[in-house]
Amino acid sequence: NAGVTQTPKFQVLKTGQSMTLQCAQDMNHEYMSWYRQDPGMGLRLIHYSVGAGITDQGEVPNGYNVSRSTTEDFPLRLLSAAPSQTSVYFCASSYSREIYEQYFGPGTRLTVT
Amino acid sequence: ELKVEQNPLFLSMQEGKNYTIYCNYSTTSDRLYWYRQDPGKSLESLFVLLSNGAVKQEGRLMASLDTKARLSTLHITAAVHDLSATYFCAVPAPYNNNDMRFGAGTRLTVKP
Repeated sequence: NAGVTQTPKFQVLKTGQSMTLQCAQDMNHEYMSWYRQDPGMGLRLIHYSVGAGITDQGEVPNGYNVSRSTTEDFPLRLLSAAPSQTSVYFCASSYSREIYEQYFGPGTRLTVT
Repeated sequence: ELKVEQNPLFLSMQEGKNYTIYCNYSTTSDRLYWYRQDPGKSLESLFVLLSNGAVKQEGRLMASLDTKARLSTLHITAAVHDLSATYFCAVPAPYNNNDMRFGAGTRLTVKP
């Protein structure tokens, strides 16, 4: 089992560019989520999914888009990058729709200039 | 709105000492999660507390949950250097168990 994988590990974007952060899990988990981590603020939930075809917004969804066409994959799209989106992004998954423990990916460090 | 507050935010302690990290939350929840993050790394699940009075222990760490006081504690016994990390608590939002809210984290440094 690879667990939760994320690509890329690092990314630099210019303001206004778009990109997709990839997340995949091989544990057949129903629940997947995206967080951003900023210094001193803990993690904040961006979007989550309780199964293929079902997504919902978290605490800070603006500027981000998600879709979930398969159980395994949950990509996060930045529509038009802004410096305020400079952050470390973590993808996580959990076995059931009711969160038990979450398994986190290694993270993507994104810088927007 | 749900607020999750941890204290202290920074903790420096000597090896062999005991200490407690506190996690307070502002709305009703019957579950709480603790995670550990090493510098530059991802988060690792430590404890899942699913009911009032729940107590879990793993090695030198013990977590408890008091849902009536809206308080969880993470107690460290006889700290060792390997416990140096940032510890986060997380609570689901009252209207949606899938909307997880994290505390700001407690950065623990254990000195020899």
